Amino acid sequence: AQSVTQPDIHITVSEGASLELRCNYSYGATPYLFWYVQSPGQGLQLLLKYFSGDTLVQGIKGFEAEFKRSQSSFNLRKPSVHWSDAAEYFCAVAPGGYQKVTFGTGTKLQVIP
Amino acid sequence: EAGVTQSPTHLIKTRGQQATLRCSPISGHTSVYWYQQALGLGLQFLLWYDEGEERNRGNFPPRFSGRQFPNYSSELNVNALELEDSALYLCASTRSGQDGDTQYFGPGTRLTVL
Repeated sequence: AQSVTQPDIHITVSEGASLELRCNYSYGATPYLFWYVQSPGQGLQLLLKYFSGDTLVQGIKGFEAEFKRSQSSFNLRKPSVHWSDAAEYFCAVAPGGYQKVTFGTGTKLQVIP
Repeated sequence: EAGVTQSPTHLIKTRGQQATLRCSPISGHTSVYWYQQALGLGLQFLLWYDEGEERNRGNFPPRFSGRQFPNYSSELNVNALELEDSALYLCASTRSGQDGDTQYFGPGTRLTVL
């Protein structure tokens, strides 16, 4: 069975600092991987997705994620965090497409001035 | 272009009743996904409809059902409501059932079961 682990429940970073949110997955084959962001004002939004090809994936809002098969990881990064990035971030894995997706428990990001 | 819309925003029911939640995808989108976000259980995939057909469902009992109409809007029905059905129900749509499409979410319906 597929599973996703987001080891950090809560992360605090200063505005302008770099960010890395960790995600580890368990799946027998090459999975479909996603990062979502959920904020009170904007609901749930897809940040980026990896299906195949280039292992470094660019998303919206300046985010990127790197698929590392050897480490079963799909960490999300942003070089400089803005106060508006404060939200909850979910990593997800699926065997194919958006169906049967399994979500991680989420990481809450706090941004301090 | 209007986004994904869901109605109602909030819904309060009592145990044993039935709830009906509605979702209108972005115009031109044919695929609709339903998710449940319950306290303590997190986000879970519920159902996927594409071109009027149910294509896949998550690990939910049969009392969770739905349909997709010819205009691609969708309805989620939850029968015999239980307290643990209290959750935020999110609907999302994609242009087609193809993997490469981007998924867009609605604001959700908050269901409270008393």
